Amino acid sequence: AQSVTQPDIHITVSEGASLELRCNYSYGATPYLFWYVQSPGQGLQLLLKYFSGDTLVQGIKGFEAEFKRSQSSFNLRKPSVHWSDAAEYFCAVALTDSWGKLQFGAGTQVVVTP
Amino acid sequence: EPEVTQTPSHQVTQMGQEVILRCVPISNHLYFYWYRQILGQKVEFLVSFYNNEISEKSEIFDDQFSVERPDGSNFTLKIRSTKLEDSAMYFCASIGTSGGLPSYEQYFGPGTRLTVT
Repeated sequence: AQSVTQPDIHITVSEGASLELRCNYSYGATPYLFWYVQSPGQGLQLLLKYFSGDTLVQGIKGFEAEFKRSQSSFNLRKPSVHWSDAAEYFCAVALTDSWGKLQFGAGTQVVVTP
Repeated sequence: EPEVTQTPSHQVTQMGQEVILRCVPISNHLYFYWYRQILGQKVEFLVSFYNNEISEKSEIFDDQFSVERPDGSNFTLKIRSTKLEDSAMYFCASIGTSGGLPSYEQYFGPGTRLTVT
């Protein structure tokens, strides 16, 4: 079945430490891939996207993600976390024949400690 | 920067009542979507809309739901007879085009929190 999996429900990281959030997908073809961030009570903000080409993509707020076809993964990373990065992060995919419909993973809650 | 707006930010209604959630997508966008997020759960696709008709809908989007683009700017989601389980955050999103095809980069509104009592 088609799915998007974020294995980590909750991650706690110290301010200044690195962060990696995992995302795996299961689709017949490579979908378009996205990471969104949701701060408490807020909407969804696009961090970055991958359609094709260079497998390492840069996004806003110092985030980057790497697409690995062999692992069906699209992991999000940040070298040094700031307290303002505390939020929920969603991986999402869109199939190229789906009228742009996004399918979201369950999300990873990131807590940043001093 | 253009943005998607939604009104109201919070709607409280009684079970069985009709509600209309309103969205103003980005002005030159042509593809429109509704998603919902039940508290503590993931964001779920409800419906996509293009060229004044539904292009795709999920199994959640049953006969109680309808969407409309009543004029050139608004995009609405109507729930005819609300149920307790309709309580959720509802997000509107829109996409522009590239070469006549969807650009796939969705811009989300801030959401409407619907509480059904």
